[in-house]
Amino acid sequence: AQSVTQPDIHITVSEGASLELRCNYSYGATPYLFWYVQSPGQGLQLLLKYFSGDTLVQGIKGFEAEFKRSQSSFNLRKPSVHWSDAAEYFCAVAPSGTYKYIFGTGTRLKVLA
Amino acid sequence: KAGVTQTPRYLIKTRGQQVTLSCSPISGHRSVSWYQQTPGQGLQFLFEYFSETQRNKGNFPGRFSGRQFSNSRSEMNVSTLELGDSALYLCASSLAVLAGINEQFFGPGTRLTVL
Repeated sequence: AQSVTQPDIHITVSEGASLELRCNYSYGATPYLFWYVQSPGQGLQLLLKYFSGDTLVQGIKGFEAEFKRSQSSFNLRKPSVHWSDAAEYFCAVAPSGTYKYIFGTGTRLKVLA
Repeated sequence: KAGVTQTPRYLIKTRGQQVTLSCSPISGHRSVSWYQQTPGQGLQFLFEYFSETQRNKGNFPGRFSGRQFSNSRSEMNVSTLELGDSALYLCASSLAVLAGINEQFFGPGTRLTVL
């Protein structure tokens, strides 16, 4: 079955430190891959997406993600975290040929001043 | 361009009642998807509509239904509410004309509380 795994439920980092959020997916072919962020009481905002081509994709707010086919991973990174990055982050896949997103369980990021 | 709007933002109902939630997609978007978000289950796909037709459905009981109108606005209905239906219901819209690129834009959600 298709699934998305975000192994870290909570992550705490200090402001200015680097960040990496992990995402692994289970799917036979390369799906479309996304990272969303959700602030408390808000909907989801798209950070970045991967459809094909360059495996390192740049997104908004200084985020980037790298697609690694051999590891079925799509990890999100940021070189220097800001306090405003505190939120919940969701990885999602959309298997090609479908109109359905499958979301991971999310990683809640806490940023220490 | 206005984003996805959802009404109402908050709802309180009692068990056994029914509820209707509304979603207006981004202008020009013909695909609307609905998700249920709970602390225990995370984000779960309910269904997706395109041009008034349901193209995909998640694993929810028949108490959950939806429809889409000719102007792409969508409603979802939950009948015979249960306590476990308390959740944030998110709507997302997309161009999604072809099976493939499916970037979705989310609304702020409707927070449903069932007492």
